[in-house]
Amino acid sequence: SQKIEQNSEALNIQEGKTATLTCNYTNYSPAYLQWYRQDPGRGPVFLLLIRENEKEKRKERLKVTFDTTLKQSLFHITASQPADSATYLCALDRSQGTDKLIFGTGTRLQVFP
Amino acid sequence: DAGVIQSPRHEVTEMGQEVTLRCKPISGHDYLFWYRQTMMRGLELLIYFNNNVPIDDSGMPEDRFSAKMPNASFSTLKIQPSEPRDSAVYFCASSFRDWRAGSSYNEQFFGPGTRLTVL
Repeated sequence: SQKIEQNSEALNIQEGKTATLTCNYTNYSPAYLQWYRQDPGRGPVFLLLIRENEKEKRKERLKVTFDTTLKQSLFHITASQPADSATYLCALDRSQGTDKLIFGTGTRLQVFP
Repeated sequence: DAGVIQSPRHEVTEMGQEVTLRCKPISGHDYLFWYRQTMMRGLELLIYFNNNVPIDDSGMPEDRFSAKMPNASFSTLKIQPSEPRDSAVYFCASSFRDWRAGSSYNEQFFGPGTRLTVL
């Protein structure tokens, strides 16, 4: 069955360092992958989308890579700040190019001053 | 735009009661999604609509759950009868696919969620 794995353990890093979050998937050939941020008590907020034919995408301090051979996406936050503390979810289209998303369980990031 | 609006924000009910959750998507969006989030299972897609038509309801857990979208600006998710295992946060999300751009635009905008507790 289709499966997405994210670091279940919380990631604690010091302010100013680069945070790297991992999203691995199996039994999939997604057309795209998305990253969302979720704060406690709120709905997820879209951050970035990367398509299967793209290796890397950047937006301000955020960078996403997508390796369809390894079936893995890495999400980087450079020069991290305490305000970046949140849970980060990756999501893939459930079947090629559809709007049905399957979400990972998320990784909680804590940035300490 | 106010974003996706959901009501109520919190609902506490007793087992066996009917529960109705409401959603107003962002104006102009043609897709609407209902999700459920729990600690154990994470964020799960229940059903989604395109242009008010249900496209896929394979995530709806059982016949006790039903969803409707009578028009482009309103959708409901109903649970009847409710059970304690239905306790979760229910999110509604909407999106807009820009077909003219030649590729899909799939960013989903989530509402604040409804926290449902069934006693």
